[in-house]
Amino acid sequence: DAGVTQSPTHLIKTRGQHVTLRCSPISGHKSVSWYQQVLGQGPQFIFQYYEKEERGRGNFPDRFSARQFPNYSSELNVNALLLGDSALYLCASSLAGGDYGYTFGSGTRLTVV
Amino acid sequence: RKEVEQDPGPFNVPEGATVAFNCTYSNSASQSFFWYRQDCRKEPKLLMSVYSSGNEDGRFTAQLNRASQYISLLIRDSKLSDSATYLCVVGDNAGKSTFGDGTTLTVKP
Repeated sequence: DAGVTQSPTHLIKTRGQHVTLRCSPISGHKSVSWYQQVLGQGPQFIFQYYEKEERGRGNFPDRFSARQFPNYSSELNVNALLLGDSALYLCASSLAGGDYGYTFGSGTRLTVV
Repeated sequence: RKEVEQDPGPFNVPEGATVAFNCTYSNSASQSFFWYRQDCRKEPKLLMSVYSSGNEDGRFTAQLNRASQYISLLIRDSKLSDSATYLCVVGDNAGKSTFGDGTTLTVKP
């Protein structure tokens, strides 16, 4: 069985540009969450989607948005990139909302220059 | 004050040692509790869930004290392969899971 897949694995963007990150959850999982992790810190919650509805939002600016598609895959969009957006972006899937824990993808490493 | 706080360490222990990690959380309405393990430049992986009754999985024991808002992880008979960062995670009922910044463990021969 495929685990959580994220694409791309690495990305370099210029300040002010836009980026779209993609995630496919484990088959049968209906919830996808997005996290940002900078070096030396734990993952910071960005969004959770369950059954295509936004269920939770972390303390991130409106430049960050996401959506979940009918097949439960998800996209994270970041507009007007800043240097500080450079981080590892992790997608996690769960059966239903994370009450039983998450399975993470290997992440997208975004560098903004 | 952070919502989930962990001692960052590092903890440097010899093989075979017993080591304990602690974690405190501030949201008394938190509903789910976990320990994750993260190896260098890898994604976090679920180690175990944490319950008030305690949870044991081999050499690993996790405990939750809701009154004190405190979570612990005990590793017995440490192995070299236990070297990693251990992340404490607390979930609420609104779809948000908050991670601590992790405790780094190095097990030495």
